[in-house]
Parts: sequence; C-alpha cells; structure tokens
Amino acid sequence: EVQVVESGGGLVQPGGSLRLACAASGITFSNYWMSWVRQAPGKGLEWVANIKPDGSEKYYVDSVKGRFTISRDNAKNSLYLQMNSLRGEDTAVYYCAGGRTCGWWGQGTPVTVSS
Amino acid sequence: DVVLTQSPLSLPVTLGQPASISCRSSQSLVHSDGNTYLNWFQQRPGQSPRRLIYKVSNRDSGVPDRFSGSGSGTDFTLKISRVEAEDVGVYYCMQGTHWPPLTFGPGTKVDIK
Repeated sequence: EVQVVESGGGLVQPGGSLRLACAASGITFSNYWMSWVRQAPGKGLEWVANIKPDGSEKYYVDSVKGRFTISRDNAKNSLYLQMNSLRGEDTAVYYCAGGRTCGWWGQGTPVTVSS
Repeated sequence: DVVLTQSPLSLPVTLGQPASISCRSSQSLVHSDGNTYLNWFQQRPGQSPRRLIYKVSNRDSGVPDRFSGSGSGTDFTLKISRVEAEDVGVYYCMQGTHWPPLTFGPGTKVDIK
C-alpha cells in the first residue's frame, strides 16, 4: 500500500521561509514523478511544482517561480519544497502527490502566511 | 495554459439516481503520443483528493464500477450510475497533456437532495 506523509507546515510571517517534506513508502519512489499541489481555504486545487524521477527536470507554476524550489532525495524516499519570500496568497494546504498525473496523495500539511 | 471548465459547479442528486459532470478543455487534450491525459479526482469533505479515473476512462484500483469516464478531444464526462451517500464531495478534472502547468477544473460539488 502506498503511503505519503507530508510535514513541515505551520504559521510564518510574510517574507518568511518554510521547508515542506514528504515521505513516501510502498512504492519504488525513484521511478516516479512527484508533485506538490496546494488548496487555499475554501478553494480548488492548484498544481505548484513537479520533479522528474531522477531530479534532472523541475517545473513550477508561474506564481511561485523564483521563490519555491522542489527537490528530492531518492535514497530517503523523500520529496521537499523549499518556500521563500512567502506571501499571504501562499496560504493553503500543501499536498504531496505521486505519479505523472497525481495517482496518490498525502493527507496534506497546512501553511499559513500571516503577520 | 489549458483552461478546464466544469459544469455544473453544483449538483444536488437523489440517492440511487445517476449523475453526470462535464469537463471542457480550451484545447484538444490528445498528446503527441496518442494518449489523452484527462483525469478525474474526488475530494470527500475533510479528506485529501483521490484519483478516480486516468486517461479519460481508466478506473483506478478500488474505485467502484458505478464511476465511469468518457469523452475525447475537448469534451469529457464523469458519470456515476447510481449515487451513494459516500459519493458526496467535490469532483475535479485535471489535464496532464499540455504542461507545465498541470491544470485542474474549478470543481463540481455533489451533495444529496
């Protein structure tokens, strides 16, 4: 059974930084594209970024380019999202999702950007 | 970017009756490899999203066969043959053909009349 567990969310001031982590089990992690998808309070789903299985390619939604960095450690079956220069509009639940088209999801970790 | 439009945005249904959700794309979702990467997700209240259907019509493991997907090009449909109480939630279509970015539809909220 695939399990995905996110961590690292919390309350941060505007302009601050946060690093999210996602630990996966039950799959050969190094075979899969991985994504971060977020959901602002009461809103729909927004893809944020994804990364190729070997980490050689990374893609981002325009609104986070230059501020967020996705990375992975296949030896640790882990995915990360370094978020810098955070804004109020980044407030959301952040989900880790596996596979090219998000076949499995974690429970999410909430990020609140507020002073 | 590809824009996905869903209709209706709100769908009150009667238990045991069928339900249908439409997803329309701003451009054809046929990939150069011949596949159409249109997927459907269910998000029950208070839960994470769950993929139901991938590549238009393929049910994910464990998804009841009352859920079916169809369509081609720019027009797609998710059907529930007989709605059950556990089907309440928000349903999203998502395209993975023309990316980045991967894009989701706005969501259709299904609840019981």
